[in-house]
Amino acid sequence: DAGVTQSPTHLIKTRGQQVTLRCSPKSGHDTVSWYQQALGQGPQFIFQYYEEEERQRGNFPDRFSGHQFPNYSSELNVNALLLGDSALYLCASRRTGNTGELFFGEGSRLTVL
Amino acid sequence: RKEVEQDPGPFNVPEGATVAFNCTYSNSASQSFFWYRQDCRKEPKLLMSVYSSGNEDGRFTAQLNRASQYISLLIRDSKLSDSATYLCVVTNNTNAGKSTFGDGTTLTVKP
Repeated sequence: DAGVTQSPTHLIKTRGQQVTLRCSPKSGHDTVSWYQQALGQGPQFIFQYYEEEERQRGNFPDRFSGHQFPNYSSELNVNALLLGDSALYLCASRRTGNTGELFFGEGSRLTVL
Repeated sequence: RKEVEQDPGPFNVPEGATVAFNCTYSNSASQSFFWYRQDCRKEPKLLMSVYSSGNEDGRFTAQLNRASQYISLLIRDSKLSDSATYLCVVTNNTNAGKSTFGDGTTLTVKP
């Protein structure tokens, strides 16, 4: 039973560039959430996808966008990268209607130079 | 004010010590509560759920006070392997199960 998988694990970008991060949820899960975790802080909610639509969004600018595919996998896109976007980006999944445990991937560590 | 606030820490304790972490949340509509553990540069993993009746899992005890909007985690007989960051998590079922994390409290258990 595959858990949540994310790619890439590490990447380096420069200011102004764009990045796409990918996530495959745990088998049987259909809701995907994305979090940003800066050093020394807890994960901050970016948005949540279910049935290929954005259902909830945190306090992140429009530069952050996402997508969910029919197979429940998801992408996080960040445009016009800023130095402050450097963080660990975590994808988490659960089964819709189940407000129990969130299962996390190992994250994508983004460095913006 | 943050939706979920935790003790700032860090906590540095000797092996065998008892340590308690506190957490408060601001959204009274919150319905599910958890403690997650995060090791350095790793993803968060569920430690335990928190119920109003309180629950215990070995050396770990979690309690919830809905009236005060307060959650606690007690670790007894600390082990070196308990060293990690502990994240308080609140899930609001009225928002499609959005989970909000605190900033975490770092625990270091020393020999």
